[in-house]
Amino acid sequence: GENVEQHPSTLSVQEGDSAVIKCTYSDSASNYFPWYKQELGKGPQLIIDIRSNVGEKKDQRIAVTLNKTAKHFSLHITETQPEDSAVYFCAAPGGGADGLTFGKGTHLIIQP
Amino acid sequence: EAEVAQSPRYKITEKSQAVAFWCDPISGHATLYWYRQILGQGPELLVQFQDESVVDDSQLPKDRFSAERLKGVDSTLKIQPAELGDSAMYLCASSPMRGVTDTQYFGPGTRLTVL
Repeated sequence: GENVEQHPSTLSVQEGDSAVIKCTYSDSASNYFPWYKQELGKGPQLIIDIRSNVGEKKDQRIAVTLNKTAKHFSLHITETQPEDSAVYFCAAPGGGADGLTFGKGTHLIIQP
Repeated sequence: EAEVAQSPRYKITEKSQAVAFWCDPISGHATLYWYRQILGQGPELLVQFQDESVVDDSQLPKDRFSAERLKGVDSTLKIQPAELGDSAMYLCASSPMRGVTDTQYFGPGTRLTVL
């Protein structure tokens, strides 16, 4: 099955700086890579996703890049704000028929 | 904005007791998932429904866990008997159609503590 590894486990950045979270996957057939944000006591919320037919996707301050050859994808957050503090999860297909396999998460801390 | 509803939000039980969690997906969503999230880890799929049918329950510990979606709308996940290792967040998600590239929308989860 799919194996997703995520780094770092904790990331602390100054407000206004950029943050980058990286994930690798094992199944070369995977074609969909979502990123979820989970705030304390809440369920994961989709923030951006990318499909294998594109290499990059942007939505305001958030972007995701995909390198299918190397089997890794990254989340980029620019101009970080206090409300960006949360746990971020990457995922890829492989958790069952249509389920997702998630990384272990990155705790992003925005320092004022 | 439509959301996935789950109840209860928190449940404390003693080992060997039975517990049940309820999920109401976004209206019209055909696919429903139950995931388990152990503290400090990502969610792991337990079971997937397409309408009222189970599509995948390969990761569901069937000796103690059961899930149903009788009318293809809301769903119940049951654990009997609960064990200490079952302490986790149980998340329900739904998507409009079947397919891994279809966005999965998660509910707030039920936090289970087994004493």
